Amino acid sequence: DTAVSQTPKYLVTQMGNDKSIKCEQNLGHDTMYWYKQDSKKFLKIMFSYNNKELIINETVPNRFSPKSPDKAHLNLHINSLELGDSAVYFCASGITGLDEKLFFGSGTQLSVL
Amino acid sequence: GQSLEQPSEVTAVEGAIVQINCTYQTSGFYGLSWYQQHDGGAPTFLSYNALDGLEETGRFSSFLSRSDSYGYLLLQELQMKDSASYFCAVSSNSGYSTLTFGKGTMLLVSP
Repeated sequence: DTAVSQTPKYLVTQMGNDKSIKCEQNLGHDTMYWYKQDSKKFLKIMFSYNNKELIINETVPNRFSPKSPDKAHLNLHINSLELGDSAVYFCASGITGLDEKLFFGSGTQLSVL
Repeated sequence: GQSLEQPSEVTAVEGAIVQINCTYQTSGFYGLSWYQQHDGGAPTFLSYNALDGLEETGRFSSFLSRSDSYGYLLLQELQMKDSASYFCAVSSNSGYSTLTFGKGTMLLVSP
Protein backbone atom coordinates (compact mmCIF):
# COMPACT_ATOMS: atom_id res chain seq x y z
CA ASP A 1 0.00 0.00 0.00
CA THR A 2 1.29 3.42 -0.95
CA ALA A 3 1.86 5.59 2.13
CA VAL A 4 1.35 8.98 0.48
CA SER A 5 -0.39 8.96 -2.87
CA GLN A 6 -1.03 11.93 -5.08
CA THR A 7 -2.77 12.21 -8.41
CA PRO A 8 -2.30 12.93 -11.19
CA LYS A 9 1.40 12.23 -11.80
CA TYR A 10 1.48 14.47 -14.86
CA LEU A 11 -0.67 17.49 -15.58
CA VAL A 12 -0.39 19.44 -18.83
CA THR A 13 -2.69 22.40 -19.23
CA GLN A 14 -3.13 25.81 -20.79
CA MET A 15 -2.58 29.15 -19.11
CA GLY A 16 -5.66 30.43 -17.38
CA ASN A 17 -7.12 27.02 -16.61
CA ASP A 18 -8.01 25.76 -13.13
CA LYS A 19 -6.65 22.42 -11.95
CA SER A 20 -6.55 20.28 -8.82
CA ILE A 21 -4.06 17.83 -7.37
CA LYS A 22 -5.23 15.27 -4.84
CA CYS A 23 -3.25 13.80 -1.97
CA GLU A 24 -4.03 11.07 0.51
CA GLN A 25 -1.95 9.47 3.26
CA ASN A 26 -2.67 6.24 5.11
CA LEU A 27 0.01 6.65 7.76
CA GLY A 28 -2.21 8.20 10.40
CA HIS A 29 -0.10 11.37 10.47
CA ASP A 30 -1.53 14.61 11.80
CA THR A 31 0.43 16.95 9.55
CA MET A 32 0.39 17.23 5.78
CA TYR A 33 2.28 19.55 3.45
CA TRP A 34 2.53 20.80 -0.08
CA TYR A 35 6.00 21.52 -1.46
CA LYS A 36 6.92 23.02 -4.81
CA GLN A 37 10.12 21.92 -6.55
CA ASP A 38 11.30 24.18 -9.34
CA SER A 39 13.52 23.39 -12.30
CA LYS A 40 16.61 23.96 -10.14
CA LYS A 41 15.32 21.33 -7.71
CA PHE A 42 14.72 23.84 -4.94
CA LEU A 43 12.09 22.39 -2.57
CA LYS A 44 9.98 25.15 -1.09
CA ILE A 45 7.19 24.67 1.39
CA MET A 46 3.85 26.07 0.33
CA PHE A 47 1.36 24.95 2.96
CA SER A 48 1.19 22.91 6.11
CA TYR A 49 -1.96 21.52 7.68
CA ASN A 50 -2.28 19.95 11.10
CA ASN A 51 -5.48 18.03 11.77
CA LYS A 52 -7.29 19.88 8.95
CA GLU A 53 -6.14 23.28 10.23
CA LEU A 54 -3.93 25.53 8.13
CA ILE A 55 -0.62 26.04 9.95
CA ILE A 56 1.71 27.51 7.36
CA ASN A 57 1.03 29.54 4.26
CA GLU A 58 4.35 30.62 2.82
CA THR A 59 3.62 33.69 0.69
CA VAL A 60 1.87 31.62 -1.92
CA PRO A 61 -0.41 33.52 -4.35
CA ASN A 62 -4.04 33.20 -3.39
CA ARG A 63 -4.64 31.43 -6.71
CA PHE A 64 -3.45 28.39 -4.76
CA SER A 65 -6.03 27.08 -2.34
CA PRO A 66 -5.41 23.98 -0.24
CA LYS A 67 -8.33 22.03 1.13
CA SER A 68 -8.22 19.38 3.83
CA PRO A 69 -11.54 17.56 4.23
CA ASP A 70 -9.99 15.30 6.87
CA LYS A 71 -6.51 14.73 8.26
CA ALA A 72 -5.77 12.01 5.70
CA HIS A 73 -6.38 14.25 2.69
CA LEU A 74 -4.87 17.51 1.50
CA ASN A 75 -5.81 18.66 -1.96
CA LEU A 76 -4.40 21.58 -3.88
CA HIS A 77 -6.52 23.67 -6.21
CA ILE A 78 -4.88 26.18 -8.53
CA ASN A 79 -6.86 28.88 -10.30
CA SER A 80 -5.86 30.84 -13.39
CA LEU A 81 -2.69 28.88 -14.02
CA GLU A 82 0.39 30.83 -15.11
CA LEU A 83 3.55 29.75 -16.92
CA GLY A 84 5.55 30.21 -13.71
CA ASP A 85 3.43 27.60 -11.97
CA SER A 86 5.15 24.88 -13.98
CA ALA A 87 7.01 22.75 -11.44
CA VAL A 88 6.79 19.47 -9.59
CA TYR A 89 4.42 19.58 -6.64
CA PHE A 90 4.98 17.17 -3.78
CA CYS A 91 2.55 16.27 -1.07
CA ALA A 92 4.06 15.02 2.19
CA SER A 93 2.95 13.91 5.62
CA GLY A 94 4.74 13.53 8.90
CA ILE A 95 4.76 13.74 12.65
CA THR A 96 6.42 17.01 13.56
CA GLY A 97 8.05 17.53 16.88
CA LEU A 98 9.53 14.03 16.90
CA ASP A 99 12.04 12.97 14.30
CA GLU A 100 10.67 15.35 11.72
CA LYS A 101 10.50 12.49 9.24
CA LEU A 102 8.44 13.37 6.21
CA PHE A 103 7.00 10.90 3.75
CA PHE A 104 6.59 12.32 0.27
CA GLY A 105 4.19 11.42 -2.47
CA SER A 106 5.57 10.63 -5.91
CA GLY A 107 4.99 14.16 -7.16
CA THR A 108 2.85 15.84 -9.78
CA GLN A 109 4.68 17.36 -12.71
CA LEU A 110 2.65 20.38 -13.78
CA SER A 111 3.35 21.90 -17.18
CA VAL A 112 1.54 25.10 -18.07
CA LEU A 113 1.63 25.91 -21.78
CA GLY B 1 14.50 33.68 8.20
CA GLN B 2 16.29 30.46 7.52
CA SER B 3 19.13 29.68 5.16
CA LEU B 4 21.11 26.56 4.37
CA GLU B 5 24.28 26.15 2.37
CA GLN B 6 25.45 22.94 0.79
CA PRO B 7 27.67 22.25 -2.24
CA SER B 8 25.79 22.09 -5.51
CA GLU B 9 27.65 19.09 -6.86
CA VAL B 10 30.02 16.36 -5.67
CA THR B 11 31.64 13.61 -7.73
CA ALA B 12 33.21 10.39 -6.48
CA VAL B 13 34.04 6.87 -7.63
CA GLU B 14 32.49 3.59 -6.60
CA GLY B 15 33.75 2.30 -3.30
CA ALA B 16 34.90 5.72 -2.12
CA ILE B 17 33.71 7.80 0.83
CA VAL B 18 32.11 11.19 0.33
CA GLN B 19 31.05 13.87 2.80
CA ILE B 20 28.35 16.42 1.99
CA ASN B 21 28.46 19.45 4.27
CA CYS B 22 25.60 21.67 5.32
CA THR B 23 25.70 24.93 7.23
CA TYR B 24 22.57 26.64 8.38
CA GLN B 25 21.19 29.78 9.93
CA THR B 26 17.88 29.61 11.68
CA SER B 27 16.09 30.59 14.84
CA GLY B 28 14.34 28.07 17.05
CA PHE B 29 16.45 25.18 15.73
CA TYR B 30 15.14 21.68 16.41
CA GLY B 31 17.24 19.43 14.23
CA LEU B 32 18.87 18.66 10.91
CA SER B 33 17.56 16.08 8.45
CA TRP B 34 18.89 14.56 5.25
CA TYR B 35 16.85 13.42 2.27
CA GLN B 36 17.81 11.59 -0.90
CA GLN B 37 16.11 12.20 -4.23
CA HIS B 38 16.77 10.26 -7.40
CA ASP B 39 15.98 11.87 -10.74
CA GLY B 40 12.26 11.79 -11.32
CA GLY B 41 11.61 10.45 -7.84
CA ALA B 42 10.39 11.73 -4.52
CA PRO B 43 12.60 12.84 -1.64
CA THR B 44 13.11 10.02 0.84
CA PHE B 45 14.18 10.40 4.44
CA LEU B 46 17.71 9.32 5.35
CA SER B 47 18.48 10.62 8.82
CA TYR B 48 17.71 13.15 11.52
CA ASN B 49 20.00 14.69 14.14
CA ALA B 50 18.60 16.67 17.03
CA LEU B 51 21.65 16.31 19.28
CA ASP B 52 25.34 16.84 18.62
CA GLY B 53 27.21 13.84 17.36
CA LEU B 54 27.17 11.12 14.78
CA GLU B 55 24.22 8.94 13.82
CA GLU B 56 24.98 5.84 11.78
CA THR B 57 22.56 3.97 9.57
CA GLY B 58 24.28 1.35 7.47
CA ARG B 59 26.57 2.95 4.90
CA PHE B 60 25.23 6.41 5.71
CA SER B 61 26.11 8.52 8.74
CA SER B 62 25.02 12.01 9.68
CA PHE B 63 26.72 14.45 12.01
CA LEU B 64 25.53 17.58 13.78
CA SER B 65 27.30 20.34 15.65
CA ARG B 66 24.70 22.74 17.03
CA SER B 67 27.30 25.20 18.29
CA ASP B 68 28.79 25.47 14.78
CA SER B 69 25.40 25.36 12.98
CA TYR B 70 26.93 22.65 10.85
CA GLY B 71 26.25 19.11 9.83
CA TYR B 72 27.30 16.60 7.25
CA LEU B 73 26.17 13.43 5.58
CA LEU B 74 28.83 10.75 5.14
CA LEU B 75 28.33 8.08 2.51
CA GLN B 76 30.66 5.09 2.60
CA GLU B 77 31.33 2.31 0.11
CA LEU B 78 29.70 4.34 -2.60
CA GLN B 79 27.61 2.51 -5.16
CA MET B 80 26.34 3.66 -8.52
CA LYS B 81 22.81 3.71 -7.13
CA ASP B 82 23.87 6.43 -4.66
CA SER B 83 23.96 8.90 -7.56
CA ALA B 84 21.17 11.26 -6.57
CA SER B 85 20.51 14.66 -5.04
CA TYR B 86 20.94 15.00 -1.30
CA PHE B 87 19.12 17.67 0.65
CA CYS B 88 19.78 18.89 4.16
CA ALA B 89 16.78 20.38 5.93
CA VAL B 90 16.38 22.22 9.20
CA SER B 91 13.47 21.83 11.54
CA SER B 92 12.68 24.98 13.42
CA ASN B 93 9.89 26.40 15.47
CA SER B 94 8.69 29.73 14.24
CA GLY B 95 5.41 29.34 16.03
CA TYR B 96 4.89 25.92 14.47
CA SER B 97 7.45 23.35 13.47
CA THR B 98 8.61 23.77 9.91
CA LEU B 99 11.05 21.93 7.68
CA THR B 100 13.14 24.07 5.36
CA PHE B 101 15.29 22.45 2.68
CA GLY B 102 18.68 23.40 1.31
CA LYS B 103 19.15 23.63 -2.44
CA GLY B 104 20.51 20.11 -2.69
CA THR B 105 23.81 18.49 -3.61
CA MET B 106 23.94 16.39 -6.74
CA LEU B 107 26.19 13.38 -6.16
CA LEU B 108 27.55 11.63 -9.21
CA VAL B 109 29.18 8.26 -8.62
CA SER B 110 31.29 6.96 -11.47
CA PRO B 111 32.69 3.46 -12.03
